[in-house]
Amino acid sequence: AQSVTQLDSQVPVFEEAPVELRCNYSSSVSVYLFWYVQYPNQGLQLLLKYLSGSTLVKGINGFEAEFNKSQTSFHLRKPSVHISDTAEYFCAVSVRGGYQKVTFGIGTKLQVIP
Amino acid sequence: EAEVAQSPRYKITEKSQAVAFWCDPISGHATLYWYRQILGQGPELLVQFQDESVVDDSQLPKDRFSAERLKGVDSTLKIQPAELGDSAMYLCASSFPRETKNTEAFFGQGTRLTVV
Repeated sequence: AQSVTQLDSQVPVFEEAPVELRCNYSSSVSVYLFWYVQYPNQGLQLLLKYLSGSTLVKGINGFEAEFNKSQTSFHLRKPSVHISDTAEYFCAVSVRGGYQKVTFGIGTKLQVIP
Repeated sequence: EAEVAQSPRYKITEKSQAVAFWCDPISGHATLYWYRQILGQGPELLVQFQDESVVDDSQLPKDRFSAERLKGVDSTLKIQPAELGDSAMYLCASSFPRETKNTEAFFGQGTRLTVV
C-alpha cells in the first residue's frame, strides 16, 4: 500500500519570500504524484502532477515540484509567495495500473504574512 | 468548464437521523471517489467506484454508511444513523475519462456535514 508524509503541518512565510513544502511518499511500485490546494470550505484543486518524464514539474500559480525517486520525495516550491497563496496544500500519490486509489497526506497550512 | 457537482453544500442533522449526499461526476469519467475530510486532516477514501462497481470500500464503515452508483453515472452516499463523529466535509471526485490518459482526480465543492 502507498502512503504520503507531509513533514510540516504549518509553514509561515513572509510575502514575496520563497517557500518549500515537503512531501515524501512510500510505495513498492511506480507512482503518480500530485499536489492539490484547498481554500476554506472548498474542494481540492490540482496544482500540478508528475506522471513520467521530466522530474521538474511546473504547475499553476507559479508553483513547481521536483520528483526525486532516490529520496522518494516530491517537494513543492514557489520562488515568491503572495497573500493569495494562503491555503492548505495536500500531496497525493496513486500507483500506476489497477484502479489507481489516490492517497493523501495530512496537509500543510501555508500562512503568508504581509 | 465541466465540473463535479455535489449537493447539498451544507447539511445539519441530528444524531441518529439519516442523511444522504449526492454527486454528479464529470461526464464520461469512469472512476468516482467519495472522501471524508475531518477538520485539520487530509481526505480519507471511503469508497471508489469503477463505473457501477465498487473497487475499494475498505475504509467505509459499513454498519452505517452505504454508497451506490447504479447506472455508473451519479452517486449517493448515505449515513444511517448519523453520529457526532461523522461531522466532516464529504468530498466527491472523478477521474479517468475513457478517451484520454488523464489520471488526476477532479473534486467537487464538498458537503459540509454537522451532526448535532
